[in-house]
Amino acid sequence: AQSVSQHNHHVILSEAASLELGCNYSYGGTVNLFWYVQYPGQHLQLLLKYFSGDPLVKGIKGFEAEFIKSKFSFNLRKPSVQWSDTAEYFCAALEGGYNKLIFGAGTRLAVHP
Amino acid sequence: DAGVTQSPTHLIKTRGQQVTLRCSPKSGHDTVSWYQQALGQGPQFIFQYYEEEERQRGNFPDRFSGHQFPNYSSELNVNALLLGDSALYLCASSLEGGATSTDTQYFGPGTRLTVL
Repeated sequence: AQSVSQHNHHVILSEAASLELGCNYSYGGTVNLFWYVQYPGQHLQLLLKYFSGDPLVKGIKGFEAEFIKSKFSFNLRKPSVQWSDTAEYFCAALEGGYNKLIFGAGTRLAVHP
Repeated sequence: DAGVTQSPTHLIKTRGQQVTLRCSPKSGHDTVSWYQQALGQGPQFIFQYYEEEERQRGNFPDRFSGHQFPNYSSELNVNALLLGDSALYLCASSLEGGATSTDTQYFGPGTRLTVL
């Protein structure tokens, strides 16, 4: 069965710092990967997704993620964070044929002005 | 275009009681999935409904059951509530694309259930 690991549970950055959040998945076959964000008091929103093709995926709000098959990784990056990026970030992978998402435990990001 | 809506927003129950949570999918979507998000954890898949039938289930006991209506809305029922059932319950909707559907899931705001 698929599993997803996010090793950074809490990250604190200053504005303009660069961000990289780690995500590793376990299943080595065809994999579909996602990053979702949950801003304080809001619902989960899709940041970006990878199904196939270019392993560098660009999402909304300046986020991008790189799929590295050999490392089973799908790390999220942003070159310069803003205070408004304060949120919880979840990496997820699809399992099986019926659109079942397996989530990591999440990374809580706090950006200080 | 209405997004995914859930009701109620918050709910407080006592152990042993039963609860029903409701979800209306995003306009045009026909598949509803339910997730449980305990405090400090990522969402965990409970089950998924398509064409009014449960077609996939996560590692949750039979106390968790659901239903999908002809208008694609869905209910999640939990019987014999335990303290450990306290969590945020999320509904997600998507558009079925066949046996290997990978359509994006859109999440609702969730229902916060507290069991005392």
